[in-house]
Amino acid sequence: GAGVSQSPSNKVTEKGKDVELRCDPISGHTALYWYRQSLGQGLEFLIYFQGNSAPDKSGLPSDRFSAERTGGSVSTLTIQRTQQEDSAVYLCASSLNINGGNEQFFGPGTRLTVL
Amino acid sequence: AQSVAQPEDQVNVAEGNPLTVKCTYSVSGNPYLFWYVQYPNRGLQFLLKYITGDNLVKGSYGFEAEFNKSQTSFHLKKPSALVSDSALYFCAVRDIGYSSASKIIFGSGTRLSIRP
Repeated sequence: GAGVSQSPSNKVTEKGKDVELRCDPISGHTALYWYRQSLGQGLEFLIYFQGNSAPDKSGLPSDRFSAERTGGSVSTLTIQRTQQEDSAVYLCASSLNINGGNEQFFGPGTRLTVL
Repeated sequence: AQSVAQPEDQVNVAEGNPLTVKCTYSVSGNPYLFWYVQYPNRGLQFLLKYITGDNLVKGSYGFEAEFNKSQTSFHLKKPSALVSDSALYFCAVRDIGYSSASKIIFGSGTRLSIRP
């Protein structure tokens, strides 16, 4: 079975441009998470979706960041008016659901570079 | 609020020696605890988890971890390190004391370096 996939794998953009990052979770997984990882650093939680519930957006660093999940499957993370400090690896993960002890399955990440 | 701490940024071990990567946590209720590994230029992979039951849990690649409630710790261990174990390790916790679904909190990571 396919794992979590993310696209693009690499994205280079100019400061001020908007970018969209895509995540395809594992089929049947109702929980989907976005994290940000700066070079060699820990994971910064951004947002999670659980089924049809309202997403937990508590980790989004500014109103330039938004995410949606259509049809309970694919998710898109959008960063508007990108800044150099947005440069990082953006990781997506999915799990069976958000309750209980279900582990997360991570995608390979999108490396975003803002020039 | 829940939190997790990995007190060591880096752990260096000689191949063949036992290794320990430390993790402590703080939750209001009972924890679910996880270890993940990130190999160079790759995504995070699940290693093992503690949900309930035996305090010693075994996972992938010969790793194990011991849940210690009194010390609020969940240290990762392996009896004999391999050079291929060199990677970045993350501890994570979810507080199941919350009435609503809660997110997993990750530690800052520990870089494990195994020298031949």
